[in-house]
Amino acid sequence: AQKITQTQPGMFVQEKEAVTLDCTYDTSDPSYGLFWYKQPSSGEMIFLIYQGSYDQQNATEGRYSLNFQKARKSANLVISASQLGDSAMYFCAMREGEGGSNYKLTFGKGTLLTVNP
Amino acid sequence: NAGVTQTPKFQVLKTGQSMTLQCAQDMNHEYMSWYRQDPGMGLRLIHYSVGAGITDQGEVPNGYNVSRSTTEDFPLRLLSAAPSQTSVYFCASSYEQGFDTQYFGPGTRLTVL
Repeated sequence: AQKITQTQPGMFVQEKEAVTLDCTYDTSDPSYGLFWYKQPSSGEMIFLIYQGSYDQQNATEGRYSLNFQKARKSANLVISASQLGDSAMYFCAMREGEGGSNYKLTFGKGTLLTVNP
Repeated sequence: NAGVTQTPKFQVLKTGQSMTLQCAQDMNHEYMSWYRQDPGMGLRLIHYSVGAGITDQGEVPNGYNVSRSTTEDFPLRLLSAAPSQTSVYFCASSYEQGFDTQYFGPGTRLTVL
């Protein structure tokens, strides 16, 4: 079974509108972290936001927020007021456990977001 | 700080050739890792290291070797290149403690003919 599932291969949004990118995860470990990365066409991986499994509040970083629903095992990324520069591939990733070898990131297959003017 | 650096940015190899992809970081991070990115597959972990002298296999280790003689450097060696190793390779690093963000290098685009 996939540990990270991103069901939207592609998404379109109008400039200045909000968009939600879906991510569901699968783990039996009570301690884990969820990450979102942005990969523009230039290829670099840019960290956006992080949510810990024990965090009580949803993470926010500027226009990015993470809608964390622990019981549903979902960690959707919400981008508010989309900009043309938000057009990119977005990856959800998970790190399970604490310490030792449990620093590996497992990535989803990504969602390609296109922001239309 | 330069962050995570990778060389070369592009490389073309012939089947059977060997080469080393270089990765270095100047953030004193204990944890370093190598991923490959293939179309439609996301990023998959090849090898990782939790400190100098310690390495372990990830999800797709076959055909690759790593070593970690210093905290700063984590080279990835392709022993005998195959067309299936055509991919974009990313090196990443983070602090060992807690769920710290992993910082990625700019990537190396490798083509094996």
